[in-house]
Amino acid sequence: GEDVEQSLFLSVREGDSSVINCTYTDSSSTYLYWYKQEPGAGLQLLTYIFSNMDMKQDQRLTVLLNKKDKHLSLRIADTQTGDSAIYFCAEPNTGTASKLTFGTGTRLQVTL
Amino acid sequence: EAGVAQSPRYKIIEKRQSVAFWCNPISGHATLYWYQQILGQGPKLLIQFQNNGVVDDSQLPKDRFSAERLKGVDSTLKIQPAKLEDSAVYLCASSSRASSYNEQFFGPGTRLTVL
Repeated sequence: GEDVEQSLFLSVREGDSSVINCTYTDSSSTYLYWYKQEPGAGLQLLTYIFSNMDMKQDQRLTVLLNKKDKHLSLRIADTQTGDSAIYFCAEPNTGTASKLTFGTGTRLQVTL
Repeated sequence: EAGVAQSPRYKIIEKRQSVAFWCNPISGHATLYWYQQILGQGPKLLIQFQNNGVVDDSQLPKDRFSAERLKGVDSTLKIQPAKLEDSAVYLCASSSRASSYNEQFFGPGTRLTVL
């Protein structure tokens, strides 16, 4: 079965860059996603990348995709306290594009 | 645009009791999902509806969990009887075919505690 892996915790200082890593399993995934979950809230799509891209930049966010190693990363530039949350990467299940498998989530703590 | 609504936000029950959760997706979204999120884990899909039909319920414990979406709009998820291991946040999400990348919109969730 699919197993999406992430490190559990990351602590950075305000203003520094954060890099959250993810290893996924299905090399045929069309899109890969990053969702953000703030305390007491549901998940919110942060960004996504199409599988034929190596990189996608969206303001402070940079997504890097290494298909050979099945590795996905999310870089947040100039990290702010409001970025403190849990970040989940997700991939579609094989054969079912709309069904997602989520990673365990990385808790980002931003300190002053 | 109103988001995905869920109720109740919190529920505490004793094991072997029954509980029901309600979800109202974003207007016009044909696909509705129920996820279970155990503390410290990512969400796990329980059931997916397309309009009022079930697309995938392969991970739904059917001996105790049931879900319906009778009119293709709002949905209820029921647990009967509850077990201690059902303690989790139950998230509802919806999506529209208009999104080529299948963005799912999540509600705030219902936190269930089984004592």
